[in-house]
Amino acid sequence: NAGVTQTPKFQVLKTGQSMTLQCAQDMNHEYMSWYRQDPGMGLRLIHYSVGAGITDQGEVPNGYNVSRSTTEDFPLRLLSAAPSQTSVYFCASSFSTTGSGNTIYFGEGSWLTVV
Amino acid sequence: DAKTTQPNSMESNEEEPVHLPCNHSTISGTDYIHWYRQLPSQGPEYVIHGLTSNVNNRMASLAIAEDRKSSTLILHRATLRDAAVYYCILRWYGGSQGNLIFGKGTKLSVKP
Repeated sequence: NAGVTQTPKFQVLKTGQSMTLQCAQDMNHEYMSWYRQDPGMGLRLIHYSVGAGITDQGEVPNGYNVSRSTTEDFPLRLLSAAPSQTSVYFCASSFSTTGSGNTIYFGEGSWLTVV
Repeated sequence: DAKTTQPNSMESNEEEPVHLPCNHSTISGTDYIHWYRQLPSQGPEYVIHGLTSNVNNRMASLAIAEDRKSSTLILHRATLRDAAVYYCILRWYGGSQGNLIFGKGTKLSVKP
């Protein structure tokens, strides 16, 4: 199993450009989410999904869009990149949305710089 | 979500036990206590979780106070690979859509 796969690993964008961070998991997990991590900080939740066709906002959703057309994929779209979106982005997934004993698996991260 | 309080940093010597504390005085009866860790330049990884009783797995042990207002993650013999940021997180039993709410965690340094 590949687990949670994120692409690209590194990306530099110019202010105003749009792009999509890809996330795929091969574990048939219902729950997927995106976090961002700024230097010296913990992770903050951007958006999450409890199943195909269902998404919801997290703590810091502004400037980002998501969709969940399949169980496997959960792309994160930056609509018009801003320097404040320079961060490391982590995708995560979990087998179930209920029962808080479920382990959440994280990808290796995508380093994004907006200049 | 209930809050947790952890020291910003701790140091340990290699092959010695490490006790990482976490205070969660506002924990509710249905909150699980989870620990994740984040190695440098990697995504967080699951370490252990518990509700009321102490828990052991191959990575660590979790000691939970009787009143559940605090817990301690125990690494029995620290290795250099254990140098990471350790996060103590509370998760509602009902699932809360599976979200984890991260604090700043404790940065553990391990000296050879």
